[in-house]
Amino acid sequence: AQSVTQLGSHVSVSEGALVLLRCNYSSSVPPYLFWYVQYPNQGLQLLLKYTSAATLVKGINGFEAEFKKSETSFHLTKPSAHMSDAAEYFCAVSVDKAAGNKLTFGGGTRVLVKP
Amino acid sequence: EAGVVQSPRYKIIEKKQPVAFWCNPISGHNTLYWYRQNLGQGPELLIRYENEEAVDDSQLPKDRFSAERLKGVDSTLKIQPAELGDSAVYLCASSLGGFGNSPLHFGNGTRLTVT
Repeated sequence: AQSVTQLGSHVSVSEGALVLLRCNYSSSVPPYLFWYVQYPNQGLQLLLKYTSAATLVKGINGFEAEFKKSETSFHLTKPSAHMSDAAEYFCAVSVDKAAGNKLTFGGGTRVLVKP
Repeated sequence: EAGVVQSPRYKIIEKKQPVAFWCNPISGHNTLYWYRQNLGQGPELLIRYENEEAVDDSQLPKDRFSAERLKGVDSTLKIQPAELGDSAVYLCASSLGGFGNSPLHFGNGTRLTVT
């Protein structure tokens, strides 16, 4: 069975600083990987996805993530944080074709942006 | 396109009472999911529908939870009787189906508080 680990339940960054959110996955087969963002009292919105094409994936709002098979990682970055980036971010994995798009989520990382 | 619509947004009930949540997926999306998100955690899948068929309900507590998706469109999730531990956000999502390339679109969720 697949699993996802997000290192750090809370991250605090200054406005304009680099945002780095860590995600490691466990899977015996090539995975599909996703990052979702959740703003307060809202559902999850897809930021980006890796589906075995380019290992560096660009998403919305200036975010990008790099798939590293050797490290089983899919870390999310943004060069310069904006106040509007304050939200909770979830990494998710899908590996089982028989399960369709069944996503397994990590525990989430809440991002606080300081002015 | 209109997004996934859920109602109600908030629900407060006493334990042992029944409660129901409703979801209207994006038009044309064959796959529908119900996830439960406990406070400070990532969403966990309860049930997945392909059209009107429940193809994955292994995580649904069947002694008290039930779900249906009539005509393969709208879906209802019911809890009877509710317990204190059922307090959570219940998220509905839909997708075109298939594997990997069709991302999930989430509704804003129903926040359930059981007192």
